Amino acid sequence: QTVVTQEPSFSVSPGGTVTLTCGLSSGSVSTSYYPSWYQQTPGQAPRTLIYSTNTRSSGVPDRFSGSILGNKAALTITGAQADDESDYYCVLYMGSGMVFGGGTKLTVL
Amino acid sequence: QVQLQESGPGLVKPSETLSLTCTVSGGSVSSGSYYWSWIRQPPGKGLEWIGYIYYSGSTNYNPSLKSRVTISVDTSKNQFSLKLSSVTAADTAVYYCARAVEERNWGILTGWSFDYWGQGTLVTVSS
Repeated sequence: QTVVTQEPSFSVSPGGTVTLTCGLSSGSVSTSYYPSWYQQTPGQAPRTLIYSTNTRSSGVPDRFSGSILGNKAALTITGAQADDESDYYCVLYMGSGMVFGGGTKLTVL
Repeated sequence: QVQLQESGPGLVKPSETLSLTCTVSGGSVSSGSYYWSWIRQPPGKGLEWIGYIYYSGSTNYNPSLKSRVTISVDTSKNQFSLKLSSVTAADTAVYYCARAVEERNWGILTGWSFDYWGQGTLVTVSS
């Protein structure tokens, strides 16, 4: 079964830049997987940040950007703020369904 | 603005069937290009896609849950529902309903993502 991999945790300093990645246990992530990214804070429903690799959802600040880096999808946060401290999930479209990554817990300190 | 709201029992006994309904407002489950989805999150763990349904009734399920899952749609009530049979403690989770949107350009698939989510409802499996 396909496993979507994410870093379990990451930390960034306020104002800094961080790149979270989303890979596959076997193979490379391409735009054909239409990677999307979601932000979730404790007790809240996920919020859509990025879809179709690099399109920001309505109302999402431009410090969030998506891309393909090498063989993975990537979410870059530029100028991190305290309220960016959240869990981040990527989702890949597999044709036969959707698969979530395990999530990355981002700490801003 | 599309809104989704989950409803159903918060406690289910082991071996019984979990049943949840998602009511959609501000949009129609009969609209094309949207796939009405269920996603769950066990306490302290990550998100897991359960499956989705199209307004026509066609479905797609996570292979790991397929034998126990049924998703249905009621266009007259603008709702869709989840049934998960033979539940165990491992099925304890927050269950979210969400809308997945399929984007096409000249008939060619160009994107797929979840754009609207319900607030989630905790279902505990316990005797």
